[in-house]
Amino acid sequence: AQSVTQLGSHVSVSEGALVLLRCNYSSSVPPYLFWYVQYPNQGLQLLLKYTSAATLVKGINGFEAEFKKSETSFHLTKPSAHMSDAAEYFCAVSDPYNTDKLIFGTGTRLQVFP
Amino acid sequence: DAGITQSPRYKITETGRQVTLMCHQTWSHSYMFWYRQDLGHGLRLIYYSAAADITDKGEVPDGYVVSRSKTENFPLTLESATRSQTSVYFCASSESLLTGSSGNTIYFGEGSWLTVV
Repeated sequence: AQSVTQLGSHVSVSEGALVLLRCNYSSSVPPYLFWYVQYPNQGLQLLLKYTSAATLVKGINGFEAEFKKSETSFHLTKPSAHMSDAAEYFCAVSDPYNTDKLIFGTGTRLQVFP
Repeated sequence: DAGITQSPRYKITETGRQVTLMCHQTWSHSYMFWYRQDLGHGLRLIYYSAAADITDKGEVPDGYVVSRSKTENFPLTLESATRSQTSVYFCASSESLLTGSSGNTIYFGEGSWLTVV
């Protein structure tokens, strides 16, 4: 079955440091992949998505992610963290057997320290 | 542009009571979804709908009922609430197939916090 794994339920970085949030997927066929961000007491907002075009995807707020088929990964990065990046981040993968649904990871909470 | 709205945003109910969470979207999106969010589980799909009068089960449908008589509304009903249904519920919508050539985006509501005591 399709699944997505986010390594690390909590990640802490200093302001200005590199942000790296890890996501690995399992799928027998190349899926579509998404990163969503959730700020406190809000719904999820799309950061970026991979839909089989360029493997390096740029999203909002300076985030980007690279699809690596050989590693079945779609890690999210940002060169320099800002305090406003503190939130929960979810990786999601499309279900290749049912293209109407997304399967979400368990989320990674990002803390940014001054 | 209202987008997608959920009501109530916060609800406390007693075990055994029926509760309905409302979801309304103004985009005329074909697809609508209900997810629940719990610590350690991320978001899990409860039910989804591809169009009016078409619904299908997700990962965790037991104890829930949905309907879609109109494209813009997708209410979720807990027929007899249990403590295990204490959660944050998110409604979402999408224009068309998620993984069509355009890889359409899902848009989320702000969530409904439900506590069952």
